[in-house]
Amino acid sequence: DAKTTQPPSMDCAEGRAANLPCNHSTISGNEYVYWYRQIHSQGPQYIIHGLKNNETNEMASLIITEDRKSSTLILPHATLRDTAVYYCIVRVLGNFNKFYFGSGTKLNVKP
Amino acid sequence: DAGVTQSPTHLIKTRGQHVTLRCSPISGHKSVSWYQQVLGQGPQFIFQYYEKEERGRGNFPDRFSARQFPNYSSELNVNALLLGDSALYLCASSDGREGETQYFGPGTRLLVL
Repeated sequence: DAKTTQPPSMDCAEGRAANLPCNHSTISGNEYVYWYRQIHSQGPQYIIHGLKNNETNEMASLIITEDRKSSTLILPHATLRDTAVYYCIVRVLGNFNKFYFGSGTKLNVKP
Repeated sequence: DAGVTQSPTHLIKTRGQHVTLRCSPISGHKSVSWYQQVLGQGPQFIFQYYEKEERGRGNFPDRFSARQFPNYSSELNVNALLLGDSALYLCASSDGREGETQYFGPGTRLLVL
């Protein structure tokens, strides 16, 4: 599976958009980009995933560059409850599906 | 609908002991994966089971074993506990189809003294 690079931490003001970057320059054509977040040592929570098109759901938007070497997770209106560690993961579809987690980005949403 | 459940929530053991952790997947899900998360790091893959068969194993010693039952629940067993086994153990379930999303439980916090 391709490796990902994320900044260790980011700050965001409450109510503003949080843009979390992820580099995955060695991604292959059959690898999906997944985002999870983990709040205070709870289990990771699924946010969104995509292959090459931009995706949006009720939680966030995922923007994948045309060359697929990087992506950005956007939380449109960050709240204090969005403070968490955000993991960007690329996953190849194989005979089983396992995730390789990196260290993630600690997002601090401040009032 | 109930999500993934894990038991116990917390556990304290001493070195050399054995521990069994349990996981119940989301109803209808046939695949269970186990992860270990040491403090300050991301989760590390241990095992995946599908239809009661091991489908994948991470880089963990043979002291770690698991199994899946006919009702798709699963147990993770760790023998001869070491201090370094202290971690949050996470279970994730999915329906087993290729490309499906994994959903995580709250985890079991294991402390080895």
